[in-house]
Amino acid sequence: QLQLQASGPGLVKPSETLSLTCTVSGGSISTSSYYWGWIRQPPGKGLEWIGSIYYSGSTYYNPSLKSRVTISVDSSKTQFSLKLGSVTAADTAVYYCASVADTSGHVDYWGQGMLVTVSS
Amino acid sequence: DIQMTQSPSTLSASVGDRVTITCRASQSINSWLAWYQQKPGKAPKLLIYKASTLGSGVPSRFSGSGSGTEFTLTISSLQPDDFAIYYCQQYNTYSGTFGQGTKLEIK
Repeated sequence: QLQLQASGPGLVKPSETLSLTCTVSGGSISTSSYYWGWIRQPPGKGLEWIGSIYYSGSTYYNPSLKSRVTISVDSSKTQFSLKLGSVTAADTAVYYCASVADTSGHVDYWGQGMLVTVSS
Repeated sequence: DIQMTQSPSTLSASVGDRVTITCRASQSINSWLAWYQQKPGKAPKLLIYKASTLGSGVPSRFSGSGSGTEFTLTISSLQPDDFAIYYCQQYNTYSGTFGQGTKLEIK
């Protein structure tokens, strides 16, 4: 069973870059069975798909965030990462890393969620 | 991009009731739809995928149906543990979009 663990700073200053890493255990990150995604949830609000990456390196970014987002994968470390630039208070959210089943696009496994607050 | 619209936003019901939540896509997504349940402070939990396939360990009182642009999640007999927020999610070429959520509360 896959396990995903997000890590990174819980506090980021406005205009800076939010950087999170997700470590995958219990399975290979270089698999065609999954792609790897980031999803966020502002406090008291709904879920927003940020973007995703396939083991081959193919990426998809939410058009509303595309200009600020980079997702990458490091197979040697079984990790994938999120960078979100020029953050504002509106980027304050719980950030989830997730494994998405390639055949049907549902999220099979979720990380524990990590609250990132944007504040000076 | 594909937009997902859930209705209702809030649903009040009692234990034992049969309830249905609807999710509409702005264009056809075939059967690439999943449903999740989320409780406070927790990550969402998969209930249904490919519109009607029950997730592992999910009670049989949950069921999903639909294809194309209209989908439903039905809970046949509400249990106390079912009061939560429910989200639909579509899948299209590596991307996903969630509905805005339906809060299922106790009447």
